[in-house]
Amino acid sequence: SQKIEQNSEALNIQEGKTATLTCNYTNYSPAYLQWYRQDPGRGPVFLLLIRENEKEKRKERLKVTFDTTLKQSLFHITASQPADSATYLCAPEGGSYIPTFGRGTSLIVHP
Amino acid sequence: SAVISQKPSRDICQRGTSLTIQCQVDSQVTMMFWYRQQPGQSLTLIATANQGSEATYESGFVIDKFPISRPNLTFSTLTVSNMSPEDSSIYLCSVEDLRTTLSGANVLTFGAGSRLTVL
Repeated sequence: SQKIEQNSEALNIQEGKTATLTCNYTNYSPAYLQWYRQDPGRGPVFLLLIRENEKEKRKERLKVTFDTTLKQSLFHITASQPADSATYLCAPEGGSYIPTFGRGTSLIVHP
Repeated sequence: SAVISQKPSRDICQRGTSLTIQCQVDSQVTMMFWYRQQPGQSLTLIATANQGSEATYESGFVIDKFPISRPNLTFSTLTVSNMSPEDSSIYLCSVEDLRTTLSGANVLTFGAGSRLTVL
């Protein structure tokens, strides 16, 4: 069955550093992969989408890579800020073009 | 992107009762999705609701337990029936974002969710 793995342990980093979050998936080949941000008490908010034929996508301080051979996506936040503290969800397309979601990784940026 | 209002935002319910969650969107959308997010778990798709047709349920979810209505292009309801403590969860309504049309992929906009606690 399709499986999405994100590090369940919170990632703690210092302000100004680059945060790198990992998403691994198995048993399928998504046509695209999305990343969402979720704050406590709120629904997820879309951040970036990357397609299977794209290696890298950037948006301001965010960068996403997509390695279909490794079945892995990396999500980077450069020059991180305390306001970046949130849970980040990986969402590969899960068939019928509907995203399926990982559990998310909590990022805590310390001032 | 669309603005989604969900009601109730939270509720405490007794075992065996049913609760209906409402989802109102500020624009017309074709597809609406209902997700469940149990504590420490990932978002799990319950069903897809299209206006004018019956909802399509994912494996593990059935209409008798989670009946869905979709009377028009801006509104949907999800009922959690005969609740047990295992139904304690956050239920989220989502719709296709405008970027779906631009990108060809299902980008979703979510409501804030309805947090249900079943005693």
